[in-house]
Amino acid sequence: QVQLQESGPGLVKPSETLSLTCTVSGYSISSGYYWGWIRQPPGKGLEWIGSIYHSGSTYYNPSLKSRVTISVDTSKNQFSLKLSSVTAADTAVYYCARVNGDSYYYYMDVWGKGTTVTVSS
Amino acid sequence: SYELTQPLSVSVALGQTARITCGGNNIGSKNVHWYQQKPGQAPVLVIYRDSNRPSGIPERFSGSNSGNTATLTISRAQAGDEADYYCQVWDSSKGVFGTGTKVTVL
Repeated sequence: QVQLQESGPGLVKPSETLSLTCTVSGYSISSGYYWGWIRQPPGKGLEWIGSIYHSGSTYYNPSLKSRVTISVDTSKNQFSLKLSSVTAADTAVYYCARVNGDSYYYYMDVWGKGTTVTVSS
Repeated sequence: SYELTQPLSVSVALGQTARITCGGNNIGSKNVHWYQQKPGQAPVLVIYRDSNRPSGIPERFSGSNSGNTATLTISRAQAGDEADYYCQVWDSSKGVFGTGTKVTVL
């Protein structure tokens, strides 16, 4: 079955760039679906960050768009998140997920276990 | 931007029915999805497109959506249903999550 696994540094300094990768197994990214990132600050709710298609087409949360880049590497069956100029407010558990549905009803049907990223000097 | 409002908490007696609401402007015109999140775990999709259950989700979970409110119903609540629940829609090319509801089974 499809499995997703997040990886990347657990600690990032303020003003630097947060970089995470999601490795997909059990399914080829090139075969379809959007692939997305969601985060959850400690003790708070879920926030959608953005998603990408294997062609490179993206959707971004407008509130983060100026700082976010999501890219895909089909040869490695991975997609990645970069968030620039981080502050303590970006401290969160970051999840990657498969995005199912169509252009008016996307939803996340398979999730990674999540990785904790702390922004601190 | 589009907002989804959920009650902070819902309590339900063991074996009874819990109803979790998700309010949004004319949400009945959108497709609503629901996620269950237990402490320390990733969210799990329990309902998609208002009322559809993914494979492996018990029939005790059901959903409806009309007007300005979508509802997730948990019938015959079990201790294992204690979790946070989030609604979600796709609006203006972005994902939007509800504020989340903590369900306690008494």
